[in-house]
This record gives sequence, structure tokens and C-alpha cells, in this order.
Amino acid sequence: GAVVSQHPSWVICKSGTSVKIECRSLDFQATTMFWYRQFPKQSLMLMATSNEGSKATYEQGVEKDKFLINHASLTLSTLTVTSAHPEDSSFYICSASGGSGNEKLFFGSGTQLSVL
Amino acid sequence: SQELEQSPQSLIVQEGKNLTINCTSSKTLYGLYWYKQKYGEGLIFLMMLQKGGEEKSHEKITAKLDEKKQQSSLHITASQPSHAGIYLCGARRNAGNMLTFGGGTRLMVKP
Repeated sequence: GAVVSQHPSWVICKSGTSVKIECRSLDFQATTMFWYRQFPKQSLMLMATSNEGSKATYEQGVEKDKFLINHASLTLSTLTVTSAHPEDSSFYICSASGGSGNEKLFFGSGTQLSVL
Repeated sequence: SQELEQSPQSLIVQEGKNLTINCTSSKTLYGLYWYKQKYGEGLIFLMMLQKGGEEKSHEKITAKLDEKKQQSSLHITASQPSHAGIYLCGARRNAGNMLTFGGGTRLMVKP
């Protein structure tokens, strides 16, 4: 079946630094990828929708300049957390859809970000 | 406000017992997805329901979507410790692929 690879799975960084998270669709072309955020013991909250070759669409309350999304190819989307602060510590997870008639949405394995 | 209400929030059952998790939407759904998550890990796709009255089964897990396409249930028969985890329902409102998730149900199965 289709697989979505997310990297890194775990990252610890200092406050003020930027962190890039990659989301790749391994065996299908993902025209759309979604980025979610999950706080401990809470559900997933959609942050933004990433469309290949165009600007991402951000959900209300999500800072565009803070969470930079690039979807330069049909198999790769990146989320960069800029000038990270401890409150950005969270579990970030991407999902991708693609393939003709494929209604399934596949998720990456997630990235646990800890900002010191 | 939470568009999807999932219940119960947590559940502890004895191994071998059956259990049901519910997911209710205030609006008609285009599609309803069920995922399982181990905390800190990715989501594992379980089932997708699109048609009113649809029911799907995989191994010991059965999911149903009501005729109005506003309520879904996930039923596990003869639960095992391997069923433990967080179960999430995700709603698709239209033909787009964005999902809105319920609050999740944390399931623990006692051996």
C-alpha cells in the first residue's frame, strides 16, 4: 500500500533555531499534503494544507511566517518551524493523498519536536 | 467548537471483552475515517466509510456509518492487548481530502 515517510521522527533543538520536517510520499504522487499538530493527550489539529506548486493554505490561528511550508514536488512537502520556542514543542504529523480514485489518506509516522 | 464528538474519551476493558467507540458529527459527512495511533507515533488507517448504512469489518474490528451519515461506531470483538492505543475518527466534509478529527478514545486492554 501507499506509504508516507516523515523525517526526522524526533528532534531536540535550542530556542531560536529553525527545524525542518520532511514528508515524502514513497509510491504515489501527492498533489496535496496536510500538516497536523498534536499536543499531549489531545487530538490532531490541522495546521495547513500544502498544494504542490502553490502557496499553502493555513488554518486560522496558525502563523504563516512561523510555520513555513514548501511543496516543491509531487512527492515532498516540508514544514519549517522558524525561530522555535518551547511552546512550539509538539508532535507534528503529515498526511498525503494522491493516486487516481484513491480515497485513503495516509499519514507519516510523525515528528516529536522538543524545544529547549 | 469540536465538530466531531468522540466517546468515550478513555476505556479500560478486560481482555476478551467487546467494546464500542462512537463518533458523532453535527453535520452530514462526506466520509468518515477510523485510525489507530500509538502515542507519539503515526496513524494507522483502519477503515473508511462513505455510504449511509455502510458497514466494514477487518479482523475483529467492525465500523458502521448510520444512514444519515452523521454517526459512526467502531466495535471491537474479543479485545486483545494488541488493540490498545488511541482510536481517532476523522471526518471528511467534502470532496477535499482534509480531515477534522475527534478527540480520540484511549483504549487499554487488561490481560
